[in-house]
Amino acid sequence: DQQVKQNSPSLSVQEGRISILNCDYTNSMFDYFLWYKKYPAEGPTFLISISSIKDKNEDGRFTVFLNKSAKHLSLHIVPSQPGDSAVYFCAASDGGSSNTGKLIFGQGTTLQVKP
Amino acid sequence: DAGITQSPRHKVTETGTPVTLRCHQTENHRYMYWYRQDPGHGLRLIHYSYGVKDTDKGEVSDGYSVSRSKTEDFLLTLESATSSQTSVYFCAISEGQGRRAYEQYFGPGTRLTVT
Repeated sequence: DQQVKQNSPSLSVQEGRISILNCDYTNSMFDYFLWYKKYPAEGPTFLISISSIKDKNEDGRFTVFLNKSAKHLSLHIVPSQPGDSAVYFCAASDGGSSNTGKLIFGQGTTLQVKP
Repeated sequence: DAGITQSPRHKVTETGTPVTLRCHQTENHRYMYWYRQDPGHGLRLIHYSYGVKDTDKGEVSDGYSVSRSKTEDFLLTLESATSSQTSVYFCAISEGQGRRAYEQYFGPGTRLTVT
């Protein structure tokens, strides 16, 4: 049972345009969400996060939006650059009393930004 | 970049043989994690550690064991490798302080093939 879903395996956009990556979740206990980026033959790297008490978090060209009622979050990249071509993973956590940092990841979306 | 190394980086082994993967960190972070990455599944947590000799199971722990005798080392053992354990394995670390626990730093990965 996939609690975090990225239904688009791939996305292709033109350089300079907006990239929108989507993520849906089913567990209403999730209260912290993150996006990780992964290049081939490397480990994932943390990109941006959002707490459930917010609906938007921005960091440079990257903005994450959270819609709790729809259990949906999205990552916007504006403007997209060829160096953004990578696999993007959405992840979620329910915090919990121990706060161990355990994450549930989505399947990933491969973004290709064409020059 | 966080100081995380994984060894070996590539391994081919036969079904039924034991395999140990090593994760080494130089950051003195409290939390360490082992994930596997498979197509269509994203990253799935195998085991994690919240301190020396303190470990717990993740989503897909069957067939795997772990040990952490020092802060800097976290070992993942496949007692009797099976073809279903062919995967890319990532180690991750985090500071474990509140929300920062979720901002994990990943190693470069180990590609394991079980024939």
